[in-house]
Amino acid sequence: AQSVTQLDSHVSVSEGTPVLLRCNYSSSYSPSLFWYVQHPNKGLQLLLKYTSAATLVKGINGFEAEFKKSETSFHLTKPSAHMSDAAEYFCVVSRVTGGFKTIFGAGTRLFVKA
Amino acid sequence: KAGVTQTPRYLIKTRGQQVTLSCSPISGHRSVSWYQQTPGQGLQFLFEYFSETQRNKGNFPGRFSGRQFSNSRSEMNVSTLELGDSALYLCASSSPSGEGDTQYFGPGTRLLVL
Repeated sequence: AQSVTQLDSHVSVSEGTPVLLRCNYSSSYSPSLFWYVQHPNKGLQLLLKYTSAATLVKGINGFEAEFKKSETSFHLTKPSAHMSDAAEYFCVVSRVTGGFKTIFGAGTRLFVKA
Repeated sequence: KAGVTQTPRYLIKTRGQQVTLSCSPISGHRSVSWYQQTPGQGLQFLFEYFSETQRNKGNFPGRFSGRQFSNSRSEMNVSTLELGDSALYLCASSSPSGEGDTQYFGPGTRLLVL
């Protein structure tokens, strides 16, 4: 069975400070893991993807995520938040082996204070 | 490449009516998935089509249906609309043979049922 848990429904940071959005997953198969961002009234944009090539994945806009199998985590980080990062972020687990299946986390809304 | 397009972008219907939403995937992508996004339930998987066949289905009533055409364009239909069907409907396309299971999302169709 697959599941994904985003540990915080809301995160608030000040501009220029680090961002940490936490995600834990479970999967019976070797999953692909993703982070997507959704700005208000927009579709989802892919930030980054993990597919077992490297445990530290770099994405767009300065975001990166580290896959930790022992902790079943895939946390998203950014060294310095920008006002434009304020949005909702979704952690996603997906697999193709055994049939295509995608599960979205509940989302974490990031607030960035000036 | 052009991205995923969805039409219409906004729609207002009344209870009991039916609605058809359209999705054009990225050129060359053969898989199209549909999702419903609401504030209360988050992002929920509706169904996925690949090469004109429904390959996976989420837990939605039979009022929700879809199809895919030979050019990979997809439509979803909701019959006998209910107030709770008001949501943002997102379409995503992917190319399992090319980029694994990375999904690329359209901007969504916002449906309001009165």
